[in-house]
Amino acid sequence: QVQLQESGPGLVKPSETLSLTCTVSGGSITTYYWSWIRLPPGKGLEWIGYAYYSGSSNYNPSLKSRVTISLDTSKNQFSLKLSSVTAADTAMYYCARDHNILNAFDVWGQGTMVTVSS
Amino acid sequence: EIVLTQSPATLSLSPGERATLSCRASQSVSTYLVWYQQKPGQAPRLLIHDASNRATGIPVRFSGSGSGTDFTLTISSLEPEDFAVYYCQQRSNWPPWTFGQGTKVEIK
Repeated sequence: QVQLQESGPGLVKPSETLSLTCTVSGGSITTYYWSWIRLPPGKGLEWIGYAYYSGSSNYNPSLKSRVTISLDTSKNQFSLKLSSVTAADTAMYYCARDHNILNAFDVWGQGTMVTVSS
Repeated sequence: EIVLTQSPATLSLSPGERATLSCRASQSVSTYLVWYQQKPGQAPRLLIHDASNRATGIPVRFSGSGSGTDFTLTISSLEPEDFAVYYCQQRSNWPPWTFGQGTKVEIK
């Protein structure tokens, strides 16, 4: 079955760029849409954005100016870059498969905690 | 942006009891409503899609209902493994997809 695994630094300094990678195993990244979602401490889930292998992407308007999500089909991975981070970007970050027929996120990674601090 | 309001914030129940969780949308989402379960230290798990369709492998004690702006997740008889946080999510209007703030079902 399809499995997702996030990787990247757990600590990022304010004003720098947060970079995470999600490795997809057990299935091809050239099907479905692939999203990043985060869970700040004490808050609810927030969808960050998605990318598709065709090159299309879409982002949460609240983060759009700072976010880039891209796919590397040769490695079956997709990545998140969030620039100019502040403490408000401290969160558990999840990658997820967006199943367009189920109309839901049906497979999730375990998540990776990112703290923004100097 | 569609705002989802979940209630109650916390539900204290005993195993074997019935749990009723509510999710209200700020505007109609038709039946494009999803429910997830999240346990501590784990990723969210898809329970219900399109308001009332159980995902693969989800026990029949979980059921979803509603349309438009008012939705309900019902757990007919709580098992020990059901104590968790439950989120609803709308898939009607985007961007962005939005989630509710969650309902924590805790052991009484």
